[in-house]
Amino acid sequence: SAVISQKPSRDICQRGTSLTIQCQVDSQVTMMFWYRQQPGQSLTLIATANQGSEATYESGFVIDKFPISRPNLTFSTLTVSNMSPEDSSIYLCSVDAQSGVYSYNEQFFGPGTRLTVL
Amino acid sequence: AQSVAQPEDQVNVAEGNPLTVKCTYSVSGNPYLFWYVQYPNRGLQFLLKYITGDNLVKGSYGFEAEFNKSQTSFHLKKPSALVSDSALYFCAVRDFGAAGNKLTFGGGTRVLVKP
Repeated sequence: SAVISQKPSRDICQRGTSLTIQCQVDSQVTMMFWYRQQPGQSLTLIATANQGSEATYESGFVIDKFPISRPNLTFSTLTVSNMSPEDSSIYLCSVDAQSGVYSYNEQFFGPGTRLTVL
Repeated sequence: AQSVAQPEDQVNVAEGNPLTVKCTYSVSGNPYLFWYVQYPNRGLQFLLKYITGDNLVKGSYGFEAEFNKSQTSFHLKKPSALVSDSALYFCAVRDFGAAGNKLTFGGGTRVLVKP
């Protein structure tokens, strides 16, 4: 299984500021995924990040608010821009168990970044 | 569009008793089904999956799940629950139809195992 680390593990931020979350994987993967888990809620996919191309965003999420970088096959960042208290959530990155464009397999998840916006 | 339903927000069970967490799904093509567990202040851990083959799949920590195509269900089960099984459980489905490669999660079921 892939080992995924995220930085920071948690942060408390002021309204109007931005936070960049880093995700590092111990192996090369084609697709990386970013999810949001609001308090007491399920996981919602924000975007899919492929190396060398623009991220694909889900309905309700836009690049200006959640810019994503994918500079290589083991690393990605998610920025939460111009934050408001509604952005307080756990943000998780994820990769497929089997590398490739499409996978029938499970995804592995990082430990998450717990963000609180005051 | 694919979807997953977990009808129970919380399941309470006494330690040593059987545990069942319910999940139903809707997909346009073949379903690829998964169960994950989330312990407090931890990320998601993969428990088991159904891709094809035997309808009864076994996973980590003594959990198993039964795929039922006619009822579009994939219930998670454990014969004898432990207090340490208390956590948040998510059912998820993957469909390669119009939605592409996306993993869709159910709303989650909180399991509380009492000593």
